[in-house]
Amino acid sequence: DAGITQSPRHKVTETGTPVTLRCHQTENHRYMYWYRQDPGHGLRLIHYSYGVKDTDKGEVSDGYSVSRSKTEDFLLTLESATSSQTSVYFCAISVGRGREQYFGPGTRLTVT
Amino acid sequence: TQLLEQSPQFLSIQEGENLTVYCNSSSVFSSLQWYRQEPGEGPVLLVTVVTGGEVKKLKRLTFQFGDARKDSSLHITAAQPGDTGLYLCAGDAGGTSYGKLTFGQGTILTVHP
Repeated sequence: DAGITQSPRHKVTETGTPVTLRCHQTENHRYMYWYRQDPGHGLRLIHYSYGVKDTDKGEVSDGYSVSRSKTEDFLLTLESATSSQTSVYFCAISVGRGREQYFGPGTRLTVT
Repeated sequence: TQLLEQSPQFLSIQEGENLTVYCNSSSVFSSLQWYRQEPGEGPVLLVTVVTGGEVKKLKRLTFQFGDARKDSSLHITAAQPGDTGLYLCAGDAGGTSYGKLTFGQGTILTVHP
């Protein structure tokens, strides 16, 4: 257990509304990641962080922004949710020389 | 952009059968990881392979990293219903990639009693 929690675990929202997902870790890891998981696509990286206030885009970053004001929290924001952003969102941290990743339990987001 | 092609996408077998899942790329990875995911949960790390030609065993699971570090395989011997789940491979490009992983599309394994 890498001490990763995500909130909320489930959310239904309407198209056009802003949504923020939170990832919280308790073990002071430097690297954090946000992924989305859709059938047939595995996990796709949205944004990642390599330190407080240090973030960068992943392969599917359009429509998403992130913030990391303290080590333990990594926030993912959908400024104006669209139906194509209906997905399961996972947060992960990276540890060790092998850079293995450990994942949170996920947030299931439905945009209607 | 690095890509990982994972096959097969679906696998449905009977208890006791053997199976192999493949993960292939045209890119070289510094390491390759295998994860297993159950419904409603996040992926859980099974193993990391780092050296070309490396073979690691985890009970009935055998993981191999290709000599050129471009491909990997997962072999399960005498599959059991408890092996059912989504299996994901993920490659780490290494260097200054900030630990970013490239994931394959996943293999959904169903083992019938």
